[in-house]
Amino acid sequence: EVQLVESGGGLVKPGGSLRLSCAASGFTFSSYSMNWVRQAPGKGLEWVSSISSSSSYIYYADSVKGRFTISRDNAKNSLYLQMNSLRAEDTAVYYCARDLASSGYAGNGMDVWGQGTTVTVSS
Amino acid sequence: SYELTQPPSVSVSPGQTARITCSGDALPKQYAYWYQQKPGQAPVLVIYKDSERPSGIPERFSGSSSGTTVTLTISGVQAEDEADYYCQSADSSGKVFGGGTKLTVL
Repeated sequence: EVQLVESGGGLVKPGGSLRLSCAASGFTFSSYSMNWVRQAPGKGLEWVSSISSSSSYIYYADSVKGRFTISRDNAKNSLYLQMNSLRAEDTAVYYCARDLASSGYAGNGMDVWGQGTTVTVSS
Repeated sequence: SYELTQPPSVSVSPGQTARITCSGDALPKQYAYWYQQKPGQAPVLVIYKDSERPSGIPERFSGSSSGTTVTLTISGVQAEDEADYYCQSADSSGKVFGGGTKLTVL
């Protein structure tokens, strides 16, 4: 079964840091680009970051550029999101999602999604 | 920044046809994707590359494109189709989502 399982969410103070993980199973992880997408409470979906299959291409939304870092470990079938300088507006459910392709093109759709992990930034 | 515009809500009766639009200047040059999200659940891809349907998605879901507008059509709407629907495309630096449309089945 193709599966993505996120972990690492929690409550953090403004200015703090958090590292999210996404464990992939049931498919050849190293063949796909991967993504992080978030959803603030009661709001719509917001793309956060993408990384190509070999980590050669990395993209960030303007709202997180310079604060968040996406990475992956193909040997461990895992995707990560290091989040620094967190703000209240980063409060959201963070989803890990598989890209439809392995290429460096960032505009593809996403066909497999995890159930999400909740990040709350509050003092 | 690039925006995709969706109507906030669409309402239809069971058995009718629902059409949800998504407008954006770059849509003639970029593919569009559609996701269904039910409360408390992760999004599900229902249409990719404007009009392709993933395996396992019912045939009543279809997509089309015309100029700067793409449309998700749900024929013979069922109660279980009540959900939020999001379009997604791309700009020069990454993915872009529309604001979402809440489909209500009356």
